[in-house]
Amino acid sequence: AQSVTQLGSHVSVSEGALVLLRCNYSSSVPPYLFWYVQYPNQGLQLLLKYTTGATLVKGINGFEAEFKKSETSFHLTKPSAHMSDAAEYFCAVTQGRTGTASKLTFGTGTRLQVML
Amino acid sequence: GAVVSQHPSRVICKSGTSVKIECRSLDFQATTMFWYRQFPKQSLMLMATSNEGSKATYEQGVEKDKFLINHASLTLSTLTVTSAHPEDSSFYICSARVESSYNSPLHFGNGTRLTVT
Repeated sequence: AQSVTQLGSHVSVSEGALVLLRCNYSSSVPPYLFWYVQYPNQGLQLLLKYTTGATLVKGINGFEAEFKKSETSFHLTKPSAHMSDAAEYFCAVTQGRTGTASKLTFGTGTRLQVML
Repeated sequence: GAVVSQHPSRVICKSGTSVKIECRSLDFQATTMFWYRQFPKQSLMLMATSNEGSKATYEQGVEKDKFLINHASLTLSTLTVTSAHPEDSSFYICSARVESSYNSPLHFGNGTRLTVT
């Protein structure tokens, strides 16, 4: 079984401030972890992923996330928020990479608001 | 990069009619595609896993006779909402992965906003 918990349904930051979106996971096997971003009325766009190897993962738009097995966390960060970062962010986990095992379980999402 | 195209992006239909949503992988083949449903301001809920050449696998609580899935080729899966009712109004999103690519993530379509009047 697998699950994802995103703490904080809404996060508000000032433009230029640090962005921190929290994600904790539960998985019975080594997980594959993802962060997706969704803009209004659109599908999901992959920000970054962790599968194996380096635990600090860099993604698009200046985002990065660190896989911490001891804390079962995969928090998303960005050093300086931009107005265009305002969107809904989803953390997701899967236990496999092929066929039906690759289906994702999503967290409930965090809406990021960026203020001037 | 891998692109998943979903059509239509928006559809309005009357109660009792059926609506077909198409999901295509444009530049890769997908043995498996996934259909999600998203209610306003909520997360994505997996509805079913679409398998090329075989029956779809539905998640618990999803009516397979209501949400018909056909995965006739390696690049096309369709979701048909039969006898739609207002409570079926939602945002439907499909996804697929590049099977031949190790550790490839899921790629998502842009979704279909269904409104049943």
